[in-house]
Amino acid sequence: NAGVTQTPKFQVLKTGQSMTLQCAQDMNHNSMYWYRQDPGMGLRLIYYSASEGTTDKGEVPNGYNVSRLNKREFSLRLESAAPSQTSVYFCASSEGQGGFYEQYFGPGTRLTVT
Amino acid sequence: QQQVKQSPQSLIVQKGGISIINCAYENTAFDYFPWYQQFPGKGPALLIAIRPDVSEKKEGRFTISFNKSAKQFSLHIMDSQPGDSATYFCAVSSGSARQLTFGSGTQLTVLP
Repeated sequence: NAGVTQTPKFQVLKTGQSMTLQCAQDMNHNSMYWYRQDPGMGLRLIYYSASEGTTDKGEVPNGYNVSRLNKREFSLRLESAAPSQTSVYFCASSEGQGGFYEQYFGPGTRLTVT
Repeated sequence: QQQVKQSPQSLIVQKGGISIINCAYENTAFDYFPWYQQFPGKGPALLIAIRPDVSEKKEGRFTISFNKSAKQFSLHIMDSQPGDSATYFCAVSSGSARQLTFGSGTQLTVLP
């Protein structure tokens, strides 16, 4: 089992460019999440998908869109990148929705916007 | 509004010492309190978690202490080892919530 995989690992964008971060899990989990991690800010939830076919905003959704392509895959899109979106992005999944379920994290994507 | 406050931001401990990280929350509806551990270049991973029906939970060298009246919980790492050097995040949630809310993280360095 690969667990949660993310691509790419690193990315440099110029302001205004767009890109999609890919995430896939092979644990047959129902729920998936996108977080960003910034120094001193912890992990902040961008969007989540409680189950296939549903998506909801988290704490910091502005500037992002998501797609739950199928049960395995959950992508995060930056339509017009800004320097404030420089961060490390983590995808996670859990067996069920709700805060009691353990979340399994991917290795992260380090994004720099110049 | 910050739902969970974590301290200290960084911590340096000698090998064999005790590491203590604290978290405080406001919302009494929270009833699930996990700690996640993150090594450099990796994603976080669940370390240990507690429900408020107990005041302490121990797994090996890691212990969560929970004070419901003070709305605080802490992670104690006994006999700290250099391999424990990592960033630790507390989190809070409730059964009705669909998500975890994480603290700001504590970077622990254990000196050999």
